[in-house]
Amino acid sequence: AQKITQTQPGMFVQEKEAVTLDCTYDTSDPSYGLFWYKQPSSGEMIFLIYQGSYDQQNATEGRYSLNFQKARKSANLVISASQLGDSAMYFCAMREAGNQFYFGTGTSLTVIP
Amino acid sequence: NAGVTQTPKFQVLKTGQSMTLQCAQDMNHEYMSWYRQDPGMGLRLIHYSVGAGITDQGEVPNGYNVSRSTTEDFPLRLLSAAPSQTSVYFCASNPSGGGVLGQYFGPGTRLTVT
Repeated sequence: AQKITQTQPGMFVQEKEAVTLDCTYDTSDPSYGLFWYKQPSSGEMIFLIYQGSYDQQNATEGRYSLNFQKARKSANLVISASQLGDSAMYFCAMREAGNQFYFGTGTSLTVIP
Repeated sequence: NAGVTQTPKFQVLKTGQSMTLQCAQDMNHEYMSWYRQDPGMGLRLIHYSVGAGITDQGEVPNGYNVSRSTTEDFPLRLLSAAPSQTSVYFCASNPSGGGVLGQYFGPGTRLTVT
């Protein structure tokens, strides 16, 4: 079974609108971390946001927030007020207790002016 | 801090050639990993290391070797390159205590095997 599933290969959003990128995960570890990375066309991997499995509140970092629904094992990324520079690939990742990371297949986001 | 560095940035190999992709980090991280990124496949783990002298296989280890003689360096060797190894390769490191920043990535190496 896939550890991380991203079901949206591509997404479009109008500039200044909000967009949600979906991510579900599969683990039996009680302690784990969830991450989102952005990969622009230049290729580097940029860390966006982190959510720990024991965190009670959803993580936020500026325009990024993580909608963490533990019972449903989902960790969706919400980008508010989209900007043209948000056009990129977005990867969801999970770190299990053994410190091994698993990545999803990514979602390509295009922001339309 | 330079973070995670990778060399070369680009490489073209002929089938059957061997080469080493270099990776170094200056953050004293215990964990280091090699991934390959192919379109539609995300990042797939090739090999990883939990400390100097300790390495293990990831999801797609065939055709690759690694060693970890120092904390800083984690080279990836392609023994006999094949067109199926055409990909973008990322090295990453992270501290053993976890941390909220996840893995630190190098800039990647784009490898083409003809």
